[in-house]
Amino acid sequence: DAGVIQSPRHEVTEMGQEVTLRCKPISGHNSLFWYRQTMMRGLELLIYFNNNVPIDDSGMPEDRFSAKMPNASFSTLKIQPSEPRDSAVYFCASSLVQGWKNTEAFFGQGTRLTVV
Amino acid sequence: QQQVKQSPQSLIVQKGGIPIINCAYENTAFDYFPWYQQFPGKGPALLIAIRPDVSEKKEGRFTISFNKSAKQFSLHIMDSQPGDSATYFCAATRNYGGATNKLIFGTGTLLAVQP
Repeated sequence: DAGVIQSPRHEVTEMGQEVTLRCKPISGHNSLFWYRQTMMRGLELLIYFNNNVPIDDSGMPEDRFSAKMPNASFSTLKIQPSEPRDSAVYFCASSLVQGWKNTEAFFGQGTRLTVV
Repeated sequence: QQQVKQSPQSLIVQKGGIPIINCAYENTAFDYFPWYQQFPGKGPALLIAIRPDVSEKKEGRFTISFNKSAKQFSLHIMDSQPGDSATYFCAATRNYGGATNKLIFGTGTLLAVQP
């Protein structure tokens, strides 16, 4: 398996522009997580999905952020409009809820977003 | 109640030393405590994990010690090597019961092992 695949790896955009980050989870996994990593705040969970349904979006910083999971093999995180303080590395992770136990969460390589 | 506190923020040891990273949690509902290792430019990867029904778990040179009554757990790296230099994150979650639950991460420890 290729693991969790994120694109793009790097994104530089101007303030006010829309940014879309993409994630392909591991095939067969039914849970997907979006994290943001900064030096100041560490790894923050933004939102997670179970069977394509958003379960907890309490970590989404504000209405400028939105996430979708139209099917089991694809998710997007959108920022509109983007601001310099959104600059961070965004990680997608997936896992499998299997019976009564979850597998470990596997992380993608991340998207480094810079908003200038 | 959802926080996981991690210390130290950074750590420098000599090759062969035993770095120790500590974490504390508050939510007694947590039942799974993984440690993740992250190299620059990469995503975090699971290193080792423990459930609260045991006090210690070893995998190779990595050991987790768990103190349920104190709600603390720690990572020990025996015979540390320069290749162990990375950022280490502790985490906690509810992993059992059939429901997805979110990983709550500590703030990370940047470890440097000097040759």
